[in-house]
Amino acid sequence: KNEVEQSPQNLTAQEGEFITINCSYSVGISALHWLQQHPGGGIVSLFMLSSGKKKHGRLIATINIQEKHSSLHITASHPRDSAVYICAVRYWDTGNQFYFGTGTSLTVIP
Amino acid sequence: NAGVTQTPKFQVLKTGQSMTLQCAQDMNHEYMSWYRQDPGMGLRLIHYSVGAGITDQGEVPNGYNVSRSTTEDFPLRLLSAAPSQTSVYFCASSYSGQGPSYEQYFGPGTRLTVT
Repeated sequence: KNEVEQSPQNLTAQEGEFITINCSYSVGISALHWLQQHPGGGIVSLFMLSSGKKKHGRLIATINIQEKHSSLHITASHPRDSAVYICAVRYWDTGNQFYFGTGTSLTVIP
Repeated sequence: NAGVTQTPKFQVLKTGQSMTLQCAQDMNHEYMSWYRQDPGMGLRLIHYSVGAGITDQGEVPNGYNVSRSTTEDFPLRLLSAAPSQTSVYFCASSYSGQGPSYEQYFGPGTRLTVT
């Protein structure tokens, strides 16, 4: 059941660059959750979506249900965006349970 | 509103010792869960609860026990610690339901080392 794939695993960018992190899954879902984890830190919710697109500040999340794929975009990246970004999905037949990708480690260089 | 709290933040145990990781939430969430996070692996579900008095096993339950006597609290017990249980443990909670409104809220984590 747990087939949540994230790419890339690691990403290094220059400050100001546009960043895209991808998440794909294998079967139908009721929701997809993007999370952020700073080094040694807790896990913070960024977006939860089931269709379309959501935007918060410089972060944009999109999901394509037909292609079973979601992207997290960061515009005008900044060193404080350096963190691990985690994708998690909830399937229709598993209640509240989430299944997690292994995360994308982002480093933004000044 | 404290959200999800966990104690302790750090713990070192010797092999064979037992201990309880505490988790509490003040959002009246029905669903609570425990995860462990290991390098190179996604968060893995240990145990979860859909309400007071109801618990179930997740993906990696061996060596752990849980109980849920109140809506607020969901402690995780390590029965006899082993070095393989060295990990970072996260507690999370959410309202029960499907769809994008039922996001999970995570505690700050407990970093456990078993020697």
